Amino acid sequence: SQQGEEDPQALSIQEGENATMNCSYKTSINNLQWYRQNSGRGLVHLILIRSNEREKHSGRLRVTLDTSKKSSSLLITASRAADTASYFCATDEAQKLVFGQGTRLTINP
Amino acid sequence: EAEVAQSPRYKITEKSQAVAFWCDPISGHATLYWYRQILGQGPELLVQFQDESVVDDSQLPKDRFSAERLKGVDSTLKIQPAELGDSAMYLCASSLQTRGTEAFFGQGTRLTVV
Repeated sequence: SQQGEEDPQALSIQEGENATMNCSYKTSINNLQWYRQNSGRGLVHLILIRSNEREKHSGRLRVTLDTSKKSSSLLITASRAADTASYFCATDEAQKLVFGQGTRLTINP
Repeated sequence: EAEVAQSPRYKITEKSQAVAFWCDPISGHATLYWYRQILGQGPELLVQFQDESVVDDSQLPKDRFSAERLKGVDSTLKIQPAELGDSAMYLCASSLQTRGTEAFFGQGTRLTVV
């Protein structure tokens, strides 16, 4: 079962631009996490935001959470070629860590 | 830096054969996850352990898949018999506890069934 759904499925931007990805989920959550996956590799944790938080920053990453709309967004500012990857949101659903289908981000030089 | 170890990295097996994957989580991590990821899709949770107990295996095809985590440390995921549709990346992850902590992933095992 997939709790989160990312939007868009694919995003292609120029280096230096900002990239925004969205995640919607269905049930109540305690926290929401974002992960990055480079092609053919394991996932790497980026940031965790708790249900009582509305915004969180980590370097060039900014995550927002709107529990009333059951949605979250991940903003990557000043994108770099190395940011090319797939990005997934994950929620804790009934004590399970459940991932969405991901957004494939391509940064063009 | 502590890592989640998985082996093998790649496995090619024939249809109807048995195959097994091994995972060694980060020391002290109570929660261990096995995910299956088909190319272009998100990871699908197959089984989740808390120590040696199964927390969830609702998506595990139990007629052919089995998973164990003896002594609550490393874990083995087995498929018998393998089918063509099992070709995928199998990812293992661990976390300190079930809720509110990040999961650390291994590099995965790429399975090809021919």
